[in-house]
Amino acid sequence: GAGVSQSPSNKVTEKGKDVELRCDPISGHTALYWYRQSLGQGLEFLIYFQGNSAPDKSGLPSDRFSAERTGGSVSTLTIQRTQQEDSAVYLCASSFGQGGTEAFFGQGTRLTVV
Amino acid sequence: DAKTTQPPSMDCAEGRAANLPCNHSTISGNEYVYWYRQIHSQGPQYIIHGLKNNETNEMASLIITEDRKSSTLILPHATLRDTAVYYCIVRVSSGSNYKLTFGKGTLLTVNP
Repeated sequence: GAGVSQSPSNKVTEKGKDVELRCDPISGHTALYWYRQSLGQGLEFLIYFQGNSAPDKSGLPSDRFSAERTGGSVSTLTIQRTQQEDSAVYLCASSFGQGGTEAFFGQGTRLTVV
Repeated sequence: DAKTTQPPSMDCAEGRAANLPCNHSTISGNEYVYWYRQIHSQGPQYIIHGLKNNETNEMASLIITEDRKSSTLILPHATLRDTAVYYCIVRVSSGSNYKLTFGKGTLLTVNP
C-alpha cells in the first residue's frame, strides 16, 4: 500500500478483555515500530522490530503487552486483560532498516477500555 | 530518553517564517537529526532530517550548526495548517536499533 495502515481505527473494549491491534507497514520496510500516546501526552516507545525479530522491546509496559511480526511484514500488538490505563492511541511506523531513512507513521488505533 | 531540548511553545504570524530551535548538545557523530510534526489527532508526519549539512525539501529547511550541537527547522512561509507539535529527534545512523525517541516537542501556533 501507499502508507502504513492500522486496523481497527477505533476499538472499544471492556476491562479484562484481550485486544489485538494490527499494523501493515509500507512494502519493503524491514523496520517496524509501535508507540502509544495517551490523551494529551507525548509518544511513548513500545517495541521495535527489524525483520521478524525485536531487538528492542524495552518500552512494553507490562507482560500483558506482546507483539509479533510475521513474514517481515504485518505486525500484531496484543494487550491481554486490558485495564483502563491502557486507553490510548496506538501508533505504528515503518522504515527501511538502516540509518538515515525516514520512518512513516500510520494514523493509529484509538483504544478505549471501559 | 530524549536527547533534545525544545521550547514548549512558539507563535508565528501567518505568512512569516517560523524558526524552531532544538538543542542536542550530546549528539554523537553517528546520529542524525530528524524533525517530525503532529497535527491534532493525526499520526506524526516526517518533515526532514540531516547529519551535518543543511538540508531543504518542499516542506522545510534544516540548519545544523557546525558543531552539530543545535539545529533550527525553518518553515519559510507558515500557514494556519502548520499549527502542530514539532518534534526534534536524534537517531543513530548505524547499528541495530533505529527507534525514534520523542520528547515533548514545541507547540507551534500560527496566528492569522
